[in-house]
Amino acid sequence: GAVVSQHPSRVICKSGTSVKIECRSLDFQATTMFWYRQFPKQSLMLMATSNEGSKATYEQGVEKDKFLINHASLTLSTLTVTSAHPEDSSFYICSASLAGADTQYFGPGTRLTVL
Amino acid sequence: SQQGEEDPQALSIQEGENATMNCSYKTSINNLQWYRQNSGRGLVHLILIRSNEREKHSGRLRVTLDTSKKSSSLLITASRAADTASYFCATDQAGTALIFGKGTTLSVSS
Repeated sequence: GAVVSQHPSRVICKSGTSVKIECRSLDFQATTMFWYRQFPKQSLMLMATSNEGSKATYEQGVEKDKFLINHASLTLSTLTVTSAHPEDSSFYICSASLAGADTQYFGPGTRLTVL
Repeated sequence: SQQGEEDPQALSIQEGENATMNCSYKTSINNLQWYRQNSGRGLVHLILIRSNEREKHSGRLRVTLDTSKKSSSLLITASRAADTASYFCATDQAGTALIFGKGTTLSVSS
């Protein structure tokens, strides 16, 4: 089956620093990747939809200047949390899908802790 | 915005019992999927049911879909302690992101 990886799996950073999270589709080309955020004991909330070669589409309430998304190739999307603050501490999960496909493949998630 | 709403929010049962979780959604869908998430871990895809399907089985899992009521149920039969996890339903329209429900936390004690 299709595999999606995320790196790093866990990151701790100081307030004010920027953190980059990578999402890779390992054995397929993903035309679309999605980024979700999950706070403790809550569900996954969609942050943005990323299409290769075009600007990401952000959900309402998600600051595009704070959460920079780059989908530079069909196998890689990156999420950069800029000037991170403690309230950005969360579990960030990406998923990837093929064009026109119903199935999304989820990465294992990245746990971000901002001190 | 969240579309799915799971019911109950929390469920505690004994090993061997069946667990039933329900999910309701608001708009028309292409598919409905169920996922499991162990504490602090990633998502595990359990089953996908298409909008034109009414019931689907996979091992000890049984999923039903009633599009007229905009609801789905997940039944886990003969539950085990290893089934302890959070369960989420997720819906999508064709080619869109998944919209997740709030989840049901299942606790199975031995």
